Amino acid sequence: NAGVTQTPKFRILKIGQSMTLQCAQDMNHNYMYWYRQDPGMGLKLIYYSVGAGITDKGEVPNGYNVSRSTTEDFPLRLELAAPSQTSVYFCASRSGLAGSSRSTDTQYFGPGTRLTVL
Amino acid sequence: AQTVTQSQPEMSVQEAETVTLSCTYDTSENNYYLFWYKQPPSRQMILVIRQEAYKQQNATENRFSVNFQKAAKSFSLKISDSQLGDTAMYFCAFMKPSGTYKYIFGTGTRLKVLA
Repeated sequence: NAGVTQTPKFRILKIGQSMTLQCAQDMNHNYMYWYRQDPGMGLKLIYYSVGAGITDKGEVPNGYNVSRSTTEDFPLRLELAAPSQTSVYFCASRSGLAGSSRSTDTQYFGPGTRLTVL
Repeated sequence: AQTVTQSQPEMSVQEAETVTLSCTYDTSENNYYLFWYKQPPSRQMILVIRQEAYKQQNATENRFSVNFQKAAKSFSLKISDSQLGDTAMYFCAFMKPSGTYKYIFGTGTRLKVLA
């Protein structure tokens, strides 16, 4: 049981390049989230998904796209990289089962991807 | 909209001593959850403790405990017997248990435990 995995760990992009940040979870969680963390700041929600085929925007979606074709995978796409997208990106998942317990209400985070756009 | 405020950007504590990190939040909801996450230099986000708003009893997890004051909208984290491994960024987070179940994070407190 690997939990939430993210690839790559680090990446440097040139302005205008595109890339996909990969996120996968093996806990059969319905909910998945993408956050970005700028230096000295908390995490802000980019996109989220409540299940396969269903995605929606968070607080800071501009410049990003997502898809959720399977329960396990939730890739984040940057189409035209800009310096403002330099950040650390975290993927998280949550069970979504009914009821209240530590396992259902808690989000589990991946190790993050550090992205630099030059 | 909910907001979470952590007013202490940095703190330090001597090893084995006790430290309290502050968090306040603003919401009109009655039912919600509050969390403290730890982010060590490895950047991994690690759940420290969670509190359900409908529970009056403060949550505890070994050396970590919270002081949850619902009326004051305050949720502080107390770390007892501080250890060098507690050195990390600590984030307070709010979650409304409906809809997106998204977290609203504070800006974090950088804690350094001194030997």
